[in-house]
Amino acid sequence: DTEVTQTPKHLVMGMTNKKSLKCEQHMGHRAMYWYKQKAKKPPELMFVYSYEKLSINESVPSRFSPECPNSSLLNLHLHALQPEDSALYLCASSQDTFGKGTEAFFGQGTRLTVV
Amino acid sequence: AQSVTQPDIHITVSEGASLELRCNYSYGATPYLFWYVQSPGQGLQLLLKYFSGDTLVQGIKGFEAEFKRSQSSFNLRKPSVHWSDAAEYFCAVGARTDSWGKLQFGAGTQVVVTP
Repeated sequence: DTEVTQTPKHLVMGMTNKKSLKCEQHMGHRAMYWYKQKAKKPPELMFVYSYEKLSINESVPSRFSPECPNSSLLNLHLHALQPEDSALYLCASSQDTFGKGTEAFFGQGTRLTVV
Repeated sequence: AQSVTQPDIHITVSEGASLELRCNYSYGATPYLFWYVQSPGQGLQLLLKYFSGDTLVQGIKGFEAEFKRSQSSFNLRKPSVHWSDAAEYFCAVGARTDSWGKLQFGAGTQVVVTP
């Protein structure tokens, strides 16, 4: 099973809402990532979790709050988003972080629209 | 500064013709190299990767890529494209010295397949 599952597939939320994106993998991977992708652009790294600890936060605004409850699950909590945060949010996982020579598997993404 | 360049933003190719997508990188040492494909509204799928060894790498869906150290390139090829190959293709690079998992993406190449 080389699958990374993201839910929901689509999400529309108001600027005052609180919502969460969920990502799950059962490959025993110990590194998990959140990426943001705007239309016609490459993915941009937001967060990296390594062994359930936050390793990288790419200066992401605090309205995005990641959480890694266990080695299989990664959440992204959203609060008070802006319309410019509308994008495809991609989760990925890898056996270990890239510097140790592993490949990343991506989920299908959550298409987020902030209204 | 480290960089990944995909010189071609858009390529149109006839079905059955060959395809070559270019990727050049600028890193201090040979990085880990990846090619991903993304269909509209979907996540990224790994086509192939280069870590070390044989410089000609075979991937899925009939794709191959050749690592050329002297040219700092990792070009993707397919001998005969199918209509289903129409997608966005991203070259991605990870530094061997970076243990925290920063994967740098090129800007992407949009491939259109004509009948």
